[in-house]
Amino acid sequence: GQSLEQPSEVTAVEGAIVQINCTYQTSGFYGLSWYQQHDGGAPTFLSYNALDGLEETGRFSSFLSRSDSYGYLLLQELQMKDSASYFCAVNQAGTALIFGKGTTLSVSS
Amino acid sequence: DAGVIQSPRHEVTEMGQEVTLRCKPISGHDYLFWYRQTMMRGLELLIYFNNNVPIDDSGMPEDRFSAKMPNASFSTLKIQPSEPRDSAVYFCASRETGKNEQFFGPGTRLTVL
Repeated sequence: GQSLEQPSEVTAVEGAIVQINCTYQTSGFYGLSWYQQHDGGAPTFLSYNALDGLEETGRFSSFLSRSDSYGYLLLQELQMKDSASYFCAVNQAGTALIFGKGTTLSVSS
Repeated sequence: DAGVIQSPRHEVTEMGQEVTLRCKPISGHDYLFWYRQTMMRGLELLIYFNNNVPIDDSGMPEDRFSAKMPNASFSTLKIQPSEPRDSAVYFCASRETGKNEQFFGPGTRLTVL
């Protein structure tokens, strides 16, 4: 079977750092993607990791360990606008995305 | 570019009626995906096309669902007959070969009464 596990909810305050973990069990793994979705909006792409290690894009970083079937999204210097749902997704066969259930991040002042 | 375009944005229909959702992918993108999102099941891949050809429809829930892509700039997802459990947000997304990012449309919120 295929499964992705991520926490359902995370809360933090402005300026803090948050890490959202994702573990997966899938076949045909090509890489791990992260998407952000604001309430009522569409998912938007944040990052993609095909190889082990850390990828940094501004305040957001994403990490992958293929041997541990594990990845995380790190959000630094949190802002109110970062309140959203964050989804990890496995790239299968290089094309199709299998999404986790998402993590709702609430940032308070 | 206008991004992925979906219509209608909202659809309310009665059980048993036919529903057609429409999608225009980003020009030049050769992959098109249909997803369904519900609170219970999350974001599920229904079907995807490459160069207008259906590649994997294993996520289509049952025979009531069908999808077509008659040309590179248009796709439809049809539900006939619709049922209340089909109520969800349906997203269309497109991607370019060799790129990892999928671009999602704004979605169609379907309510079946």
